[in-house]
Amino acid sequence: DADVTQTPRNRITKTGKRIMLECSQTKGHDRMYWYRQDPGLGLRLIYYSFDVKDINKGEISDGYSVSRQAQAKFSLSLESAIPNQTALYFCATSDPTSTDTQYFGPGTRLTVL
Amino acid sequence: AQKVTQAQTEISVVEKEDVTLDCVYETRDTTYYLFWYKQPPSGELVFLIRRNSFDEQNEISGRYSWNFQKSTSSFNFTITASQVVDSAVYFCALSEERGYGGATNKLIFGTGTLLAVQP
Repeated sequence: DADVTQTPRNRITKTGKRIMLECSQTKGHDRMYWYRQDPGLGLRLIYYSFDVKDINKGEISDGYSVSRQAQAKFSLSLESAIPNQTALYFCATSDPTSTDTQYFGPGTRLTVL
Repeated sequence: AQKVTQAQTEISVVEKEDVTLDCVYETRDTTYYLFWYKQPPSGELVFLIRRNSFDEQNEISGRYSWNFQKSTSSFNFTITASQVVDSAVYFCALSEERGYGGATNKLIFGTGTLLAVQP
């Protein structure tokens, strides 16, 4: 089984809809992250969480919110989706007691019509 | 400002050729970390290597090798005897010692290099 899973893997939705992307990990890592990937732009950090009680905005947090339900779960919400939020979304985890290298989930491809 | 530049947008080679992917970074910190990730056509991001700023030794792992030169702020990646399975987008990334909350956690990505290996 994969260490970092994301659901759904693909989602098509309409402008104005609320969408939740979920991330679960079995690596036991305290730190979790959400990134989005756009063609030609690389990956950009949306939110990150050091532990269940510590959530922080990243580079491009506007239009997004997150919830850290447990050490293993970190959800990303789009309260009212818009077309320019169409992107590939990645969740990642890291262990600060080790190398703190970020390991990524398989990604969720979101299309907002 | 921190920045990672991968000037090569696309590279196409024929199988068995050697290929080098360039990565140039900018940072004002003395302690930082450099990474390479591979994104195959299936879309996932695969961690390849992590290097800290105090370790300038080159690293070799099978057909992969990395050349870190602080003098030119570069962390280049070479694939020897390329194979079709090496076809992917490769990302270079930088993480600083003093990121959010003083931790090494903000990854700054380059825009990636698409490598196409033709049979």
